[in-house]
Amino acid sequence: GNSVTQMEGPVTLSEEAFLTINCTYTATGYPSLFWYVQYPGEGLQLLLKATKADDKGSNKGFEATYRKETTSFHLEKGSVQVSDSAVYFCALWGPGGQNFVFGPGTRLSVLP
Amino acid sequence: NAGVTQTPKFQVLKTGQSMTLQCAQDMNHEYMSWYRQDPGMGLRLIHYSVGAGITDQGEVPNGYNVSRSTTEDFPLRLLSAAPSQTSVYFCASSYGDSRHSPLHFGNGTRLTVT
Repeated sequence: GNSVTQMEGPVTLSEEAFLTINCTYTATGYPSLFWYVQYPGEGLQLLLKATKADDKGSNKGFEATYRKETTSFHLEKGSVQVSDSAVYFCALWGPGGQNFVFGPGTRLSVLP
Repeated sequence: NAGVTQTPKFQVLKTGQSMTLQCAQDMNHEYMSWYRQDPGMGLRLIHYSVGAGITDQGEVPNGYNVSRSTTEDFPLRLLSAAPSQTSVYFCASSYGDSRHSPLHFGNGTRLTVT
């Protein structure tokens, strides 16, 4: 079946550091890929998405590129802020499926 | 615009008790779903609905029931609570094809079963 693997962390960075959170997936066909973010005490919200190979999703300074050859969708940000502290979830929506598959989430803490 | 509203925010149950977690959305979304979030396991789908009167099981449906009598509401019932159901529960909705329409999540219900 479809699955998502991501580094679980926690990841602790200083403000303005570069961020990478790795995400790889297993799926039949060509899934759509997503990053969701969960701020403390809140539900998840969509951060960015890519629906086909080589697409780059971007939002709020975060980027991720759909790499079919490496089945990856790594999340990056050039300069993190304290306000980026949250849990980040990689997810996929498989072709022919009706539901998401989520990774375990990566907790990010950014220190001032 | 309220979005997805879940009640209660916190609940403590004794083993064997039953209860209903409420979920309501005011966005006229066809698709609604329930997830549970456990440490290190991400979100796992419990039940989902693609429209009023239609429900289906997700990955971990045992011990839970749902119904969808209206577009707005999608309650989750625990029939006989067990400690293994201690978790954070999220309700989510979308217009239908969630590849293009993002899931909107409620703020969650933290349930403890003793």
